[in-house]
Amino acid sequence: AQTVTQSQPEMSVQEAETVTLSCTYDTSESDYYLFWYKQPPSRQMILVIRQEAYKQQNATENRFSVNFQKAAKSFSLKISDSQLGDAAMYFCAYRSALYNNNDMRFGAGTRLTVKP
Amino acid sequence: DADVTQTPRNRITKTGKRIMLECSQTKGHDRMYWYRQDPGLGLRLIYYSFDVKDINKGEISDGYSVSRQAQAKFSLSLESAIPNQTALYFCATSGGQTNTEAFFGQGTRLTVV
Repeated sequence: AQTVTQSQPEMSVQEAETVTLSCTYDTSESDYYLFWYKQPPSRQMILVIRQEAYKQQNATENRFSVNFQKAAKSFSLKISDSQLGDAAMYFCAYRSALYNNNDMRFGAGTRLTVKP
Repeated sequence: DADVTQTPRNRITKTGKRIMLECSQTKGHDRMYWYRQDPGLGLRLIYYSFDVKDINKGEISDGYSVSRQAQAKFSLSLESAIPNQTALYFCATSGGQTNTEAFFGQGTRLTVV
């Protein structure tokens, strides 16, 4: 079974600075998708960014970008120019590309604090 | 209105009581999921359904049951609630394409006393 590991339970960043959240995963599959979700205090799960494993180019969404290292099974999230509104729990998630096995597997989460 | 709606948003119940959490969606997705979130454990899959006639157990299905009443409705039941089922519960949906993300409801905070 696929597993997702987030080794940083908590991270802190100064406003306007850059922070990187780590994620590693274990799979024997070659085709899959990776996601970062943000969960603010409202509890809502919000998609931040998505990466297809077959794409070598790293995904970017405004201030959010990923460093996808397929061979190392690593998928880190970089937040640039951190803002107070970025404070939240961040979850890394894996999804198989197999049609009948594509439920989403999550890491334990990283709580990000942004200091003014 | 939210695309994925969960009711109730918060609930306190007593040990041994039966409780149902409901989920409805307007996204037209076939696939629906129930997850449980615990501190330090992330989200874990309880049950999932690919269509009305298809129900599958996830990694932590013991003590739970589900019903897919229609394409848009997927409910989770705790037949006899116990304190270690205290958690945040999420319903989610996704489309048939494997590259799409899951869309989540706003969660139900369940406390079993």
